[in-house]
Amino acid sequence: EIVLTQSPGTLSLSPGERATLSCRASQSVSSSYLAWYQQKPGQAPRLLIYGASSRATGIPDRFSGSGSGTDFTLTISRLEPEDFAVYYCQQYGTSPPPFGGGTKVEIK
Amino acid sequence: QVQLQESGPGLVKPSETLSLTCAVSGSSISSAYYWGWIRQPPGKGLEWIGIFYRGGSTHYNPSLKSRLTISIDTSKNQFSLKLSSVTAADTALYYCARRGVPADKSYFDYWGQGTLVTVSS
Repeated sequence: EIVLTQSPGTLSLSPGERATLSCRASQSVSSSYLAWYQQKPGQAPRLLIYGASSRATGIPDRFSGSGSGTDFTLTISRLEPEDFAVYYCQQYGTSPPPFGGGTKVEIK
Repeated sequence: QVQLQESGPGLVKPSETLSLTCAVSGSSISSAYYWGWIRQPPGKGLEWIGIFYRGGSTHYNPSLKSRLTISIDTSKNQFSLKLSSVTAADTALYYCARRGVPADKSYFDYWGQGTLVTVSS
C-alpha cells in the first residue's frame, strides 16, 4: 500500500509570497495519478489539481502542480488571503487510494 | 451544478450501526461515476472509506471492509453508508463525494459539506 508523506506540516508565509508544498510517495505513482485538494476550516475539500499538473475547473492559475514518480509539488505562486488553508495530496492509481497527512499554510 | 448532501444521526452508541445517506442533485446516480465516502476524525487527515458503482461494483478500505456496506437507491438518487459495530475510533466528519470511472479520472471532483458523527454512550 502506498503511503504519502507531505511536508512541511505547517508553512508560515505572508500574502504575496510563494508557497511550495511537497508530497512524497513510498512507491512510484502510476501515470501521475496524483491529486491535490484544498480544505478551509469548516468546509469540504476542494479539488485543485489532478493528473499531477492539471488544474480543476475554476482553479486560478497561481496554483500549479508538478512532479512524477514519487515526488510531487504544489506551488502557489503568490498567496492570496483566501489561500490560507490545509492542502492534501491523494494518489488515485491504486486501491485504497491514500491521502497525505496534509500541509497547513498559515499566515505569518 | 452537482451537489451532494449528507444526512444521518449525529450520535451513535458504541457497538451499534452508523447509517448515513447522501442525496445527489445535478447528476444522476445511475450515470458513469463512482459514489463514495471519506471521513476525517476531528483535527486529523482524510481517510478513504469506499466507493460504489451503479452496476454493483464496490471497493472498500480493507481496514473497514468487514463492517462496511455502501449501497445506492436510484429511485431517490441517493446512496448510503452503513458501518457496524462502531467504536469511538469511528467518530469523524463523514463526507460523500463523486469519483470518475476511468483510472485517469478517479479523483473526487464533487464533495458534500460533511456530517459529524460522534460515537458515544
